[in-house]
Amino acid sequence: QSALTQPASVSGSPGQSITISCTGTSSDVGGYNYVSWYQQHPGKAPKLMIYEVSNRPSGVSNRFSGSKSGNTASLTISGLQAEDEADYYCSSYTSSSTRVFGTGTKVTVL
Amino acid sequence: QVQLQESGPGLVKPSGTLSLTCAVSGGSISSSNWWSWVRQPPGKGLEWIGEIYHSGSTNYNPSLKSRVTISVDKSKNQFSLKLSSVTAADTAVYYCARDPGAIAVADVYYFDYWGQGTLVTVSS
Repeated sequence: QSALTQPASVSGSPGQSITISCTGTSSDVGGYNYVSWYQQHPGKAPKLMIYEVSNRPSGVSNRFSGSKSGNTASLTISGLQAEDEADYYCSSYTSSSTRVFGTGTKVTVL
Repeated sequence: QVQLQESGPGLVKPSGTLSLTCAVSGGSISSSNWWSWVRQPPGKGLEWIGEIYHSGSTNYNPSLKSRVTISVDKSKNQFSLKLSSVTAADTAVYYCARDPGAIAVADVYYFDYWGQGTLVTVSS
């Protein structure tokens, strides 16, 4: 299975909004509403930020939101803050009953 | 609060077998969860290795399937990973993670709890 495609890097100034895309196929992203997003700071374990395309776990800021159109899912961070600087990964369930992660996006707060 | 803790050798010789265990605390491994292994080579992205249910049912990444075995030990509330015929390309931080499996009557597919990760280096 091929990794989902994400931009290598996205940057923005404090207070701005940024969007990270995650492109797959009809066998994963496009076929199911089982896309999740993870934030990973250096040397730390990933943290769940969004599940089932657009749901936020308890405790995650409402500045984080998710959506999907066709084979592409997106994570939007609004009101960008310094603490949001991290790597972000999408993940999807697949038609083979497996999971696949995205290639990862480094978010830089300018 | 569920906690996961990986353990195992930090150094494995090429062509050998990598063996790791994930101890689960704060919850039962026999609940309706799936338990996964995920790895991350230094400076690279996440790769899903495979998962197991307490019944012993497994799903594996097709690219690793021929070398991977995931097992569960309900008496110890832990699950394990074995990866055979390792090479330097298998050097990575290995994480264990929990998928809730189901919420009410609906299946779910995401990782809500993660271990801290353990670095395994393949080198002679």
